[in-house]
Amino acid sequence: AQSVTQLDSQVPVFEEAPVELRCNYSSSVSVYLFWYVQYPNQGLQLLLKYLSGSTLVKGINGFEAEFNKSQTSFHLRKPSVHISDTAEYFCALFNDYKLSFGAGTTVTVRA
Amino acid sequence: DTAVSQTPKYLVTQMGNDKSIKCEQNLGHDTMYWYKQDSKKFLKIMFSYNNKELIINETVPNRFSPKSPDKAHLNLHINSLELGDSAVYFCASSQGVGTGNEQFFGPGTRLTVL
Repeated sequence: AQSVTQLDSQVPVFEEAPVELRCNYSSSVSVYLFWYVQYPNQGLQLLLKYLSGSTLVKGINGFEAEFNKSQTSFHLRKPSVHISDTAEYFCALFNDYKLSFGAGTTVTVRA
Repeated sequence: DTAVSQTPKYLVTQMGNDKSIKCEQNLGHDTMYWYKQDSKKFLKIMFSYNNKELIINETVPNRFSPKSPDKAHLNLHINSLELGDSAVYFCASSQGVGTGNEQFFGPGTRLTVL
């Protein structure tokens, strides 16, 4: 069975500091991984995705993620966060026509 | 221009009632989804339709019935509402069911069952 585990439920961070959100996956087949962001009281928006090819994936709003097959990870990073990055972040794995989401990581950016 | 819209945004109702949530997308996509987000923000797929045909039906109580009158619409009807149905319901759409196809999400419908 395929699954996604987000290792941090909450990540507080100061403005302009770097942030890393950890995501591990479990899959016996080829993996297709996604990061989505949910701003307060909104729907989800795609940040980036890994399908194949380069293991370093760049997304919107300055985010990037690295696919690591040996460690079964797909961690999300941003070198310098803004107050507006305060949101819920979801890692997801695509298999069998559907997305399976992790439990989410709440990022709170403070001035 | 709203890509995926849902109505209503908020829905408060009594246990035992029947209610519907509507979803429309103007992206020209052929695949639509319903997700449930619980109070802990955990997201889980409920249903998916591709070209008006049901392709995903997770272990959802049969009180929940999706209906897709055309490719641009996917409605969710819930019978005999229970307290545990309180959640945020998200509609999404994509072009096809392929692995790389981005899913676009609606703003959600917050259902509160009293």
